[in-house]
Amino acid sequence: KAGVTQTPRYLIKTRGQQVTLSCSPISGHRSVSWYQQTPGQGLQFLFEYFSETQRNKGNFPGRFSGRQFSNSRSEMNVSTLELGDSALYLCASSTRGDVGYEQYFGPGTRLTVT
Amino acid sequence: GIQVEQSPPDLILQEGANSTLRCNFSDSVNNLQWFHQNPWGQLINLFYIPSGTKQNGRLSATTVATERYSLLYISSSQTTDSGVYFCAVGSGGSNYKLTFGKGTLLTVNP
Repeated sequence: KAGVTQTPRYLIKTRGQQVTLSCSPISGHRSVSWYQQTPGQGLQFLFEYFSETQRNKGNFPGRFSGRQFSNSRSEMNVSTLELGDSALYLCASSTRGDVGYEQYFGPGTRLTVT
Repeated sequence: GIQVEQSPPDLILQEGANSTLRCNFSDSVNNLQWFHQNPWGQLINLFYIPSGTKQNGRLSATTVATERYSLLYISSSQTTDSGVYFCAVGSGGSNYKLTFGKGTLLTVNP
């Protein structure tokens, strides 16, 4: 069974631009979560989706948004990019929405904002 | 929210040595996972262990939920074990997120 995939793997953007990252979960997984990893803040939760519904959102500004499609694929969007948005963005999927189920992570998208 | 503390923050070993990494958490959990982050950034699942003991080759883990800690044991360490090890916990039925510790940076020298 294929793992979680994320595209693109690397991205360079300029301040003020917007970016869309994509995540395809493991087949059969319906829950998709997004995390941001930076050297200063570590791994922080962005949001979680299940059956196209956002059920939880972390403490990030409204410039960070996401959505999930009927096939469980998910996208996250960051508008008006800032230098501080440079980070590794990781997507995770699990079979069900309960946090008690094992989460599997994709390889990440490394975003650099210049 | 739940707090997760990992220790030690850094660990340097000679190849062949054994090590123990610790994860303390501040509340009851229904998910606890150990990950190894590879040099390219991907989190590799090591154990899903909200309670009990598991073993996988040279690695084993124990979670004592009642005392709110988990241990990851690495025996006969190899240079390929180097990297950052994260503990992450999930708590609460409607929380839907993992909270990560800051990680332990393990360096295994030949």
